Amino acid sequence: DADVTQTPRNRITKTGKRIMLECSQTKGHDRMYWYRQDPGLGLRLIYYSFDVKDINKGEISDGYSVSRQAQAKFSLSLESAIPNQTALYFCATSSLGAQETQYFGPGTRLLVL
Amino acid sequence: AQSVTQPDIHITVSEGASLELRCNYSYGATPYLFWYVQSPGQGLQLLLKYFSGDTLVQGIKGFEAEFKRSQSSFNLRKPSVHWSDAAEYFCAVGARNQGGKLIFGQGTELSVKP
Repeated sequence: DADVTQTPRNRITKTGKRIMLECSQTKGHDRMYWYRQDPGLGLRLIYYSFDVKDINKGEISDGYSVSRQAQAKFSLSLESAIPNQTALYFCATSSLGAQETQYFGPGTRLLVL
Repeated sequence: AQSVTQPDIHITVSEGASLELRCNYSYGATPYLFWYVQSPGQGLQLLLKYFSGDTLVQGIKGFEAEFKRSQSSFNLRKPSVHWSDAAEYFCAVGARNQGGKLIFGQGTELSVKP
């Protein structure tokens, strides 16, 4: 079984809808991250969390919110989706003391119409 | 400002030829450096990483990378490319005490000709 899983893998939604992307990990890592990938821009950090009570904004947090329900679960929400949030979204995990090595989930492809 | 630059957006090489993907960084702290590979429809897989010590690091799938502090570079190399190496490659940089955050380059797409 995969260490980092994301659901759904693909999603089509309409402008203005609320949508949640979920991430679960079995690696026992304390740190979790959400990125978006756009062609030609690489990966950009949306939010990150060092533990259940520690959540931080990344480079592009506007229009997004997150919830760390447990050490193993980190959800990303788009409160009111807009077309320029169409992207590939990745969750990643890392462990304190592991020299910042991050492990990625398979991604969620989101299309906002 | 901290940044990572991969100058080549797309590279095409023939199967069996050698490969070098370039990565340059601008970072205030002593960097940790990574190369990830993303195959079509897949997540990112760690190829190799550099933290300290020997500046030539070996990774999976026959890849290696060399850290050159004087040039702020961390180029990825493979002596003989296989068709299965066709993918997108990302260079990333982080550092101790930077909150575990990584900065990614824009990516280089590799195509392999038969």
